[in-house]
Amino acid sequence: RKEVEQDPGPFNVPEGATVAFNCTYSNSASQSFFWYRQDCRKEPKLLMSVYSSGNEDGRFTAQLNRASQYISLLIRDSKLSDSATYLCVVNSGMDSSYKLIFGSGTRLLVRP
Amino acid sequence: NAGVTQTPKFQVLKTGQSMTLQCAQDMNHNSMYWYRQDPGMGLRLIYYSASEGTTDKGEVPNGYNVSRLNKREFSLRLESAAPSQTSVYFCASSQDSTYQPQHFGDGTRLSIL
Repeated sequence: RKEVEQDPGPFNVPEGATVAFNCTYSNSASQSFFWYRQDCRKEPKLLMSVYSSGNEDGRFTAQLNRASQYISLLIRDSKLSDSATYLCVVNSGMDSSYKLIFGSGTRLLVRP
Repeated sequence: NAGVTQTPKFQVLKTGQSMTLQCAQDMNHNSMYWYRQDPGMGLRLIYYSASEGTTDKGEVPNGYNVSRLNKREFSLRLESAAPSQTSVYFCASSQDSTYQPQHFGDGTRLSIL
């Protein structure tokens, strides 16, 4: 089992749609959770951190469910510019807290 | 604010050649990392340096060496390049807290013929 698993997609949605991505992680000792965005042939960029209470940044909402070990990202009112690959990222656990484990990503295509 | 700077951006090598990828950050971060990214496999950690003067192996360290030259700079060396090392290499840095995210350079595209 992969340490961080994501549906690779692609998710193909029209502008204005709401889309949700899920991610599961295997290490119950993980402490830090993030969503990154990666455009084609570019570096990953931090989209948002994920907190236990859930957090929102504009059109983006992230939630964490520790009991079930999954993380979600909700994008409302999708824009063409949201087309990218979204990476779920989890730190590897208490003994190596600096190390992040990256999911393979979920590809989003927003069409006009 | 430059953030994390990698050089070179592109490189083509022949099998057996050596080269060093350079990385520098200006955010006063303690921790630095080298990753490789291959199609369908996501980012894999090669080596990391939790703080100046320390380095540790990541998931895929074979065929690579690293040097944490000072707090700002962390280089990755391929001693004898192999075609399997064709990849996109990313350097990243972070503060030394569990809760801090990593910030990435814009990558080096390396092809080994």
